[in-house]
Amino acid sequence: EDKVVQSPLSLVVHEGDTVTLNCSYEVTNFRSLLWYKQEKKAPTFLFMLTSSGIEKKSGRLSSILDKKELFSILNITATQTGDSAVYLCIGGNNRKLIWGLGTSLAVNP
Amino acid sequence: SQTIHQWPATLVQPVGSPLSLECTVEGTSNPNLYWYRQAAGRGLQLLFYSVGIGQISSEVPQNLSASRPQDRQFILSSKKLLLSDSGFYLCAWSVRVVGETQYFGPGTRLLVL
Repeated sequence: EDKVVQSPLSLVVHEGDTVTLNCSYEVTNFRSLLWYKQEKKAPTFLFMLTSSGIEKKSGRLSSILDKKELFSILNITATQTGDSAVYLCIGGNNRKLIWGLGTSLAVNP
Repeated sequence: SQTIHQWPATLVQPVGSPLSLECTVEGTSNPNLYWYRQAAGRGLQLLFYSVGIGQISSEVPQNLSASRPQDRQFILSSKKLLLSDSGFYLCAWSVRVVGETQYFGPGTRLLVL
């Protein structure tokens, strides 16, 4: 059965810390892995990863995919209180998207 | 640029009443369209997706239905709401390849009393 598992489920850090969020997946005919950030409302897109070993960066956020070990990580450096959110990982093939339950990150000042 | 709208933003309905939530997309043609529900403390659940006008796939059996009367319009409906239908309903679109990035609307918060 296809599944996406995120860890940790919940994380509390202090401003300035660096965090690594994990996502492992088992997706038949895997095509892509996506990361979203969800605050109080709709998820906003962060990254789409299709190739192994190529890091994608956006400001303090970066992500990389390992298609051999079937996982991805999302790194956030120098965290800020505005990074507090649920981070969602999604694995997709050409037929469906499989959602993880998310990692809830709280950044305390 | 593409935008996605959902209406209404918040809705409070009595049990047994009908429901109609609307989602419209601008700035793109032939999108895939999706309805999700997020219940309190739970993850996103895909309810329906559509690859074209009149083409609806249901992911889970339930009290809800979806329709796509126009290329960029997706409607979520119910004839009789249940308490368990309460939640946050999100519409999303993607280009016509599943597995591509989805872009979400602002969502509709539904409370069934």
